[in-house]
Amino acid sequence: NAGVTQTPKFQVLKTGQSMTLQCAQDMNHNSMYWYRQDPGMGLRLIYYSASEGTTDKGEVPNGYNVSRLNKREFSLRLESAAPSQTSVYFCASNLPGQGAPGANVLTFGAGSRLTVL
Amino acid sequence: AQKVTQAQTEISVVEKEDVTLDCVYETRDTTYYLFWYKQPPSGELVFLIRRNSFDEQNEISGRYSWNFQKSTSSFNFTITASQVVDSAVYFCALSEEWYGNNRLAFGKGNQVVVIP
Repeated sequence: NAGVTQTPKFQVLKTGQSMTLQCAQDMNHNSMYWYRQDPGMGLRLIYYSASEGTTDKGEVPNGYNVSRLNKREFSLRLESAAPSQTSVYFCASNLPGQGAPGANVLTFGAGSRLTVL
Repeated sequence: AQKVTQAQTEISVVEKEDVTLDCVYETRDTTYYLFWYKQPPSGELVFLIRRNSFDEQNEISGRYSWNFQKSTSSFNFTITASQVVDSAVYFCALSEEWYGNNRLAFGKGNQVVVIP
């Protein structure tokens, strides 16, 4: 069981370039999330998708777009990368609705390390 | 707004010593959930424990124990007899029932270094 799979694991971009981070889960989870992790900042929510066909902004959405392609896949796009977007990006998913929604544990991908020069 | 504070940034201990990680949270909600995650040097995030706001029972699981006190808004985590494999970043996180879909707010993390 693969869980949450992110690609690529590493990427170097030049300022202004665009790229898409891909995320797929095989656990039949309804909700998916993108977080970024920066040194000393913990993890901050960029966007999330409560269910297929819906997306919402998190804490730090500026400079990003997302697409919930289907139930399995949730991609994060940087249209014009900036050095401030250098970070480690984590995709996560869970299955809210079983019991109290806030209680469900997130399953994280292994992370994608992005460097913008 | 929800907020999680982990005041200690890096904690170094000698192997076999105990280490306690402090977590203080802020929420206006009466129903909420608290989590601890571990991030070893390999980078993945590993779920350790979840507690809801109605369950203040403290727990011991092997070398790990948790102390949840609503009166002080704290959810502290202790590793007893630390081992080198415990070296990792530990994150405390909060989810408010109101948000529904488990939009976790994370603290900044505690870097634990266990010295052999």
